[in-house]
Amino acid sequence: AQTVTQSQPEMSVQEAETVTLSCTYDTSESDYYLFWYKQPPSRQMILVIRQEAYKQQNATENRFSVNFQKAAKSFSLKISDSQLGDAAMYFCAYIKGRRGGSNYKLTFGKGTLLTVNP
Amino acid sequence: GAVVSQHPSWVICKSGTSVKIECRSLDFQATTMFWYRQFPKQSLMLMATSNEGSKATYEQGVEKDKFLINHASLTLSTLTVTSAHPEDSSFYICSAAFVSGNTIYFGEGSWLTVV
Repeated sequence: AQTVTQSQPEMSVQEAETVTLSCTYDTSESDYYLFWYKQPPSRQMILVIRQEAYKQQNATENRFSVNFQKAAKSFSLKISDSQLGDAAMYFCAYIKGRRGGSNYKLTFGKGTLLTVNP
Repeated sequence: GAVVSQHPSWVICKSGTSVKIECRSLDFQATTMFWYRQFPKQSLMLMATSNEGSKATYEQGVEKDKFLINHASLTLSTLTVTSAHPEDSSFYICSAAFVSGNTIYFGEGSWLTVV
């Protein structure tokens, strides 16, 4: 079964600085997708960034980028120029690429609570 | 804008009654929808996977007779909490799998309070 591990329950960063959130996963699949979701106090789950396992190039979305190390099964999120609005719980998630079947589901890590200090 | 809509956002019901939560995919067809429950300061716990036109697949430990899931169309899945008790009070959130690229979008979530 696939597992996702976020080893940092809490992180803090100064406004305008850069922070990296860690995520490792375990799977026997070769085709899969990885995600970072942001959950602010409103509880809405917001997709931050998505990575396809077969793509070697790291995904980037404005100030958000990932460091995807497939062999090491690592998927860290880097937030540059941190803003107060970035403060939230961040979840790393995995889903296998092939749809259907009993284990087609989004598996989450336990989350990292990010605080942004002014 | 939102691509998955969940309703109601808040609901209070009396103990012993049933309550239904709807999850709709907007502008796309979702053959697979997921239902989660989230306890305070914890991650999302998958309750069941809902597939259009077939029975839902429940995770271990989730009572299928307690949490009825129906996925009658490609844009709508419903979760009915039957004979609700105070311990069912929680935040419930649904998500839908967008066909292209396996991107998963989430609804806004529903706060259920059973009194």
